[in-house]
Amino acid sequence: GAVVSQHPSRVICKSGTSVKIECRSLDFQATTMFWYRQFPKQSLMLMATSNEGSKATYEQGVEKDKFLINHASLTLSTLTVTSAHPEDSSFYICSAYRDSLNTEAFFGQGTRLTVV
Amino acid sequence: QKEVEQDPGPLSVPEGAIVSLNCTYSNSAFQYFMWYRQYSRKGPELLMYTYSSGNKEDGRFTAQVDKSSKYISLFIRDSQPSDSATYLCALGGSGYALNFGKGTSLLVTP
Repeated sequence: GAVVSQHPSRVICKSGTSVKIECRSLDFQATTMFWYRQFPKQSLMLMATSNEGSKATYEQGVEKDKFLINHASLTLSTLTVTSAHPEDSSFYICSAYRDSLNTEAFFGQGTRLTVV
Repeated sequence: QKEVEQDPGPLSVPEGAIVSLNCTYSNSAFQYFMWYRQYSRKGPELLMYTYSSGNKEDGRFTAQVDKSSKYISLFIRDSQPSDSATYLCALGGSGYALNFGKGTSLLVTP
């Protein structure tokens, strides 16, 4: 079964509204989770690194005020897309390492966001 | 130059063929080498990972790493239509986010 659960799998929202995406590690604790974005026919691009109990680390070009990340517990990280615009429409995926050596990264099912 | 290069394809093969998927990379600091399979509109699923040069086999899949050439491969034997997906190579170091190739789209025809 899936070890990283992401919810919702699909969401449609109006421009200007905010959307929250949840990422849960189901059978392990993850002090670090990663958020990726994937455009059609493109590879995954890292947006930010989510650290439990501290501020997230954002990649260059990613607006931290627009993509709010909260890693409140060892099993849950959330990504909130604030004031969404059509150009934010994309596939968002979270991942976490399950093992202590950080070799096996498992991914959530992904969230298809469509902003209309 | 991107850190990880992967031919996007598409690659079309008949059922039963041996498939070879490849990535090259430029950063010699990468320690872990992974292959993910991604079906349309789904998140990637881990197929194989390795951290040393050489071959690693799992069923019909063989991962090969050549650190001296900075070249990794995934071989699929006896390919099946259900193998049709996008295959992404991913490279990383301990505790760091992965660097992905663009993915190779594979179609196995009956």
